[in-house]
Amino acid sequence: DAGVTQTPRHEVAEKGQTIILKCEPVSGHNDLFWYRQTKIQGLELLSYFRSKSLMEDGGAFKDRFKAEMLNSSFSTLKIQPTEPKDSAVYLCASSLVGYEQYFGPGTRLTVL
Amino acid sequence: QQQVRQSPQSLTVWEGETAILNCSYEDSTFNYFPWYQQFPGEGPALLISIRSVSDKKEDGRFTIFFNKREKKLSLHITDSQPGDSATYFCAARTGGLSGKLTFGEGTQVTVIS
Repeated sequence: DAGVTQTPRHEVAEKGQTIILKCEPVSGHNDLFWYRQTKIQGLELLSYFRSKSLMEDGGAFKDRFKAEMLNSSFSTLKIQPTEPKDSAVYLCASSLVGYEQYFGPGTRLTVL
Repeated sequence: QQQVRQSPQSLTVWEGETAILNCSYEDSTFNYFPWYQQFPGEGPALLISIRSVSDKKEDGRFTIFFNKREKKLSLHITDSQPGDSATYFCAARTGGLSGKLTFGEGTQVTVIS
């Protein structure tokens, strides 16, 4: 079975740009999570979907971050407009309800 | 507010030694505790997990010790190998239907030969 797929693996953006990160969860998984990972803050939850419904939107990230689940096998994370402080690794994970989360390889975003 | 804390931040051990990673939590409703292992350039991967009804879980060279009363747990890596060099995250989840995990800050382990 294919694991969680994330594209692109690396993204470089200018300040003020709009970027869209993509995630394909493991087939059949109900839960999908977006995280931001930095050395200082660690793993921070951005959004949590169950069966395409938004369960949690990560509070502090509402402003410029918007995750969507267009169908059960595809999700996007839009950052608009980007700022240098958004430079981080963005991780997508999926799981069956009540079971372990499987993580993708992440997208490393650099905002200049 | 950090609900799951890990220590130390980094740890260096010699090959063959036992590495001990600590984790503590605040929310008494947490009842499931997975540990994730992450190598550079990869996403975290589940290493071993424990439920609060148990006080010990073993899987090969990896063992979790859990103390519910003190809200503490630890991950022991015995006979450490250079390939164990990675960052380890302790996480916690409540009972109920939410799949949300709360992660600690991570411990970076380096095993030198």
